[in-house]
Amino acid sequence: NAGVMQNPRHLVRRRGQEARLRCSPMKGHSHVYWYRQLPEEGLKFMVYLQKENIIDESGMPKERFSAEFPKEGPSILRIQQVVRGDSAAYFCASSPLEGSEAFFGQGTRLTVV
Amino acid sequence: QKEVEQNSGPLSVPEGAIASLNCTYSDRVSQSFFWYRQYSGKSPELIMSIYSNGDKEDGRFTAQLNKASQYVSLLIRDSQPSDSATYLCAVRSSNTGKLIFGQGTTLQVKP
Repeated sequence: NAGVMQNPRHLVRRRGQEARLRCSPMKGHSHVYWYRQLPEEGLKFMVYLQKENIIDESGMPKERFSAEFPKEGPSILRIQQVVRGDSAAYFCASSPLEGSEAFFGQGTRLTVV
Repeated sequence: QKEVEQNSGPLSVPEGAIASLNCTYSDRVSQSFFWYRQYSGKSPELIMSIYSNGDKEDGRFTAQLNKASQYVSLLIRDSQPSDSATYLCAVRSSNTGKLIFGQGTTLQVKP
């Protein structure tokens, strides 16, 4: 049973480009969470999704950021017109049920140059 | 008030000692609590989950929950240098189910 898969592991984008981060949850998991982490800081909640639904997006910036978790395929975190401040590690986690344990992927390190 | 609070540390203990990590939370109705370990440059790894008041033991780790005091802790017995990492406390929101993390406590176990 493969773990949570994130790709790419490292992503370099120039300012103004778009970044697409993908997260495939563990088999049987229908809940996905996205977090951002800056060096030496904690995990900042961004968005919580179930298949085809956004449950809580209270941590998402109002502009340029969006997330989806379609019926088929991975969850996608999309950042439009990236700026240097978007450089961070982005982690996703998945769980089979609300309230149950969540497991993390290896993360995507985004660098904006 | 932060939703989940931890002392950032660093907490330094000698090898073989008990390390005690603490966490308080603001959601009085939350039912699910977790401890994760994160090594530098790596992703968080689940160590323990706890849902009921009292203690839960797993090997050298014991999680303690006191819902009345809104307090959860993690004890690491016989600490090893390999336990040196950042320990993250997580609480599941009773409102939407999102998982909220504290800032993490850095543990240093000295040989």
